[in-house]
Amino acid sequence: DGGITQSPKYLFRKEGQNVTLSCEQNLNHDAMYWYRQDPGQGLRLIYYSQIVNDFQKGDIAEGYSVSREKKESFPLTVTSAQKNPTAFYLCASSSMAGSYEQYFGPGTRLTVT
Amino acid sequence: DAKTTQPTSMDCAEGRAANLPCNHSTISGNEYVYWYRQIHSQGPQYIIHGLKNNETNEMASLIITEDRKSSTLILPHATLRDTAVYYCIVRVANNAGNMLTFGGGTRLMVKP
Repeated sequence: DGGITQSPKYLFRKEGQNVTLSCEQNLNHDAMYWYRQDPGQGLRLIYYSQIVNDFQKGDIAEGYSVSREKKESFPLTVTSAQKNPTAFYLCASSSMAGSYEQYFGPGTRLTVT
Repeated sequence: DAKTTQPTSMDCAEGRAANLPCNHSTISGNEYVYWYRQIHSQGPQYIIHGLKNNETNEMASLIITEDRKSSTLILPHATLRDTAVYYCIVRVANNAGNMLTFGGGTRLMVKP
């Protein structure tokens, strides 16, 4: 089955630790995205990548970092500099060939205490 | 990208049509209207999109007013599984990065 996988579903960390969230897709999509969602709110874009070895900051990139070494993978690191890291994190991908549709993963719920 | 306004929440009886409005009065000529929905604790799911003509697919219908300043998503026979947050998004097709800007959406509650 083609799709996007995110792991783990739930993640717990202590304050001050960096944590990396996984996102993998086998849809052969060029573009990948990371969004953050807080309770009762819409999604906010953290980073996006249109092609391997390239990525751009979204609206709320501070305290986060990404890499895009492979087309299939777009991991997100939540650093200790992110002041309020507890949130629901969603990864998405889309074809750059004029596609209007983004495919989303199931999300990772990160709790930092 | 144009801003959208949606009601915060709506109720609908199971089996009845759910009509979800969206106001996008500042939409420009090359901007499309997209609808996604998000079931609790899952990733958003694409539903439908349109430019100026009404559109229909297996999930829903999209009615866009002639002046394009508003639209309505119609779920013809709502089921309990349609309970979700519905997002109306307006953007230029093929904008840089194909980014989507999600607002608060409408929380649709389908009741038995």
